[in-house]
Amino acid sequence: RKEVEQDPGPFNVPEGATVAFNCTYSNSASQSFFWYRQDCRKEPKLLMSVYSSGNEDGRFTAQLNRASQYISLLIRDSKLSDSATYLCVVIRDSSYKLIFGSGTRLLVRP
Amino acid sequence: DVKVTQSSRYLVKRTGEKVFLECVQDMDHENMFWYRQDPGLGLRLIYFSYDVKMKEKGDIPEGYSVSREKKERFSLILESASTNQTSMYLCASSLWTGSYGYTFGSGTRLTVV
Repeated sequence: RKEVEQDPGPFNVPEGATVAFNCTYSNSASQSFFWYRQDCRKEPKLLMSVYSSGNEDGRFTAQLNRASQYISLLIRDSKLSDSATYLCVVIRDSSYKLIFGSGTRLLVRP
Repeated sequence: DVKVTQSSRYLVKRTGEKVFLECVQDMDHENMFWYRQDPGLGLRLIYFSYDVKMKEKGDIPEGYSVSREKKERFSLILESASTNQTSMYLCASSLWTGSYGYTFGSGTRLTVV
C-alpha cells in the first residue's frame, strides 16, 4: 500500500463547478500536510498548507482529519486555469522528507 | 522568492556514462532533496541532505550518489547510467523545519539511451 494515496482522476468539470479531492495517508506519525499543484511538464508548486482547523485561500479550502487520516481539497468556482495535477503531500514524522501522492488530474472545460 | 536552479533542462546520455545533475539554491536553506518523477509512480525521494557534507538515503537510492560540499549546492550522481534511470529529476530545498513546504527547481529530463 502506498503511504499517500489519491484518486488519479481525471476529474473533468465545467467552469464554475465545485470539485473536491481526497487523499489518505497511512503513517499516523505524519506531522505536516500540503497540497501542491503541478502543471504539465513543470515543477510542483506549493498551493497551500493544511492545518487541523481547516484553512481557506480564496476559492480553495483544505481540511485535515487526523482521526481518519485523510486530507481534502475543495475548489469552488473552477477556472480554466485550475487545470493541473494536484499532489497531496505529507511530511513523515520529524524527518522533513516530503512524501507525495501520485496526484489527481483536474481538467476544467469551458 | 527562493530560487532553486537546476543546471540542465534536458539531457541525453549513453548507458554506462557517469552523469552529474547539479542543483543550486540561493536562500540559505539547510535541507536539499533529489526526487525523480515517473508516470504512475509520482515523486520518489532518492537522497536528501540536511547539512553540508551530510546525506541520507531516500526511498530509491540504488544506482545514485550525492555530494554536498557547499550549503547552496547539491549534486546527484548516476555512477553508471542505465535506461531505467530515464526520468524527470527534481531538486528541492527547504528550511530545516520543513513546515513551510519545499521549493522545487524546474527539473531535468534525463534520457538514457
